[in-house]
Amino acid sequence: GAVVSQHPSWVICKSGTSVKIECRSLDFQATTMFWYRQFPKQSLMLMATSNEGSKATYEQGVEKDKFLINHASLTLSTLTVTSAHPEDSSFYICSASFRGTGNTIYFGEGSWLTVV
Amino acid sequence: GNSVTQMEGPVTLSEEAFLTINCTYTATGYPSLFWYVQYPGEGLQLLLKATKADDKGSNKGFEATYRKETTSFHLEKGSVQVSDSAVYFCALSEGGATNKLIFGTGTLLAVQP
Repeated sequence: GAVVSQHPSWVICKSGTSVKIECRSLDFQATTMFWYRQFPKQSLMLMATSNEGSKATYEQGVEKDKFLINHASLTLSTLTVTSAHPEDSSFYICSASFRGTGNTIYFGEGSWLTVV
Repeated sequence: GNSVTQMEGPVTLSEEAFLTINCTYTATGYPSLFWYVQYPGEGLQLLLKATKADDKGSNKGFEATYRKETTSFHLEKGSVQVSDSAVYFCALSEGGATNKLIFGTGTLLAVQP
């Protein structure tokens, strides 16, 4: 079946630095990619929706200048957490969909970010 | 706004026990409803879905029925196995072109031999 891969699976960074998380669709062209974050014991919260070649649409309350999303190709989207702080520590997970029956959505494995 | 509420875990069962994980939703319109499963170290996988009232989604022995009158989509399995141990997420789709999903908090299921 279709596969979405995230990298890295986990990352530790120093406060004030930036970190990039990649999301790739390995065997299909993703027309849309979604980025979620999840705090412990809370729901997955949608951060933004991105379509290839256009600017991401951010959910209310998500700082677009802090969470930079680039969807440069139909198989790659990146999330960059700029000037990370400890409160940004979370589980980030991407998903991708493509045109087809039901616009099926496939999820990556998720990335754990710890900011120290 | 739209939301999903599912029972808190962890749920610990013995092998071959009956499983129910409750899920209720709040939504305007007619959302589609989903159950996703996340096995350790893997991404979320679609387990089953239902797109309209009274639909029953089923897969791998799991079932859930879209109940509009009670706004529920409870997940059930008659006989769980150790390999079913995972985190289960209930979700709804607001529909339209965006495929935006709203998730519950997830329920950890641990099945003991």
